[in-house]
Amino acid sequence: GAGVSQSPRYKVAKRGQDVALRCDPISGHVSLFWYQQALGQGPEFLTYFQNEAQLDKSGLPSDRFFAERPEGSVSTLKIQRTQQEDSAVYLCASSLGDRGMAGELFFGEGSRLTVL
Amino acid sequence: QQQVKQSPQSLIVQKGGISIINCAYENTAFDYFPWYQQFPGKGPALLIAIRPDVSEKKEGRFTISFNKSAKQFSLHIMDSQPGDSATYFCAARNGGSQGNLIFGKGTKLSVKP
Repeated sequence: GAGVSQSPRYKVAKRGQDVALRCDPISGHVSLFWYQQALGQGPEFLTYFQNEAQLDKSGLPSDRFFAERPEGSVSTLKIQRTQQEDSAVYLCASSLGDRGMAGELFFGEGSRLTVL
Repeated sequence: QQQVKQSPQSLIVQKGGISIINCAYENTAFDYFPWYQQFPGKGPALLIAIRPDVSEKKEGRFTISFNKSAKQFSLHIMDSQPGDSATYFCAARNGGSQGNLIFGKGTKLSVKP
């Protein structure tokens, strides 16, 4: 597709369930980022991939959060044993160059997670 | 510690007026300052960006003013239109390969017809 695609767009989970959120970046984009956006707040960095390598996971809030990008294209963010504080919109973004280049980030529409 | 402070939190402007959103930062290692626009239910989209070696950048009705000594930058929207109603985020990136975009908390702009 022409843009960054995320699925599902909406996910409701019961507390304690595991969830998986998928990101399909723009074809050929080297960099992939995951951000978390709480209601009424700005996006907060979670993790960064350069191709298949996860170079930075400093923003992951706990070891319940795990991300992968095994073939350097599609990425999955997994949250285990979800908690209510995990409720947020999870945004995926990609860019053509590596993180050090001041390239534009292209964001997907996000996956809205609600944990009951 | 909030690395990028944005104000105001919300802004109401009449059609045709000027919208001004301000941001301040502390980290002098920041080397790239973009503004993103976000509509409800959509992801942020790049609006305009500036590097600290210039003091102003203009693209159509949108202008970034940058004051390196004060560590402040602002977005001006001239001739504001109802279609500009959205949430605007300033951001900053730490220079070098380890830099991530750090976002402000956002300004919800409403342009009244």
